[in-house]
Amino acid sequence: GENVEQHPSTLSVQEGDSAVIKCTYSDSASNYFPWYKQELGKRPQLIIDIRSNVGEKKDQRIAVTLNKTAKHFSLHITETQPEDSAVYFCAANRPDDYKLSFGAGTTVTVRA
Amino acid sequence: GAGVSQSPSNKVTEKGKDVELRCDPISGHTALYWYRQSLGQGLEFLIYFQGNSAPDKSGLPSDRFSAERTGGSVSTLTIQRTQQEDSAVYLCASSSRHNIQYFGAGTRLSVL
Repeated sequence: GENVEQHPSTLSVQEGDSAVIKCTYSDSASNYFPWYKQELGKRPQLIIDIRSNVGEKKDQRIAVTLNKTAKHFSLHITETQPEDSAVYFCAANRPDDYKLSFGAGTTVTVRA
Repeated sequence: GAGVSQSPSNKVTEKGKDVELRCDPISGHTALYWYRQSLGQGLEFLIYFQGNSAPDKSGLPSDRFSAERTGGSVSTLTIQRTQQEDSAVYLCASSSRHNIQYFGAGTRLSVL
């Protein structure tokens, strides 16, 4: 099955700086890569996703890049703000499978 | 309802008792998932249902765990003879064919 690895496990950044989280996946057939944000005590919520027919997608201060050859994808948060502090999960799945394989999560702390 | 609904939000039980957790997915979503999240940990896949297909039970940690989905809608996760290590937040999610998973707020289970 699909195996997703996520790094780093924790990330501390100064407010206004950028944050980058990287994930690798094992199954070359995977074609859907969502990112979820989970604030403390809250449910995970989808913040951005990318499908394998594009290499980059941007939504305001967040962007995701995908390198299919290397089988890795990354989340970029620019101009970080305190409300960006949360746990971020990457995931991947195959076109014939509804099940998502999640990374272990990255705890992001934005220092004021 | 507009989102995934889970009940109860909190459940405290004694070791050895059985518990039932309920999930009401978004109307029209054909796929339903159960995850377990221990304190400060990632999302552990338990089971998922897709339409009328046999459920994928590959993540259930033991035979004390079972789940059913009646009429293709509401699902119940049952844990028999609960143990202290079962204490966690149990999250339910649902998705349509586009694979975007929407999570419920979870049930926080505490086994004393």
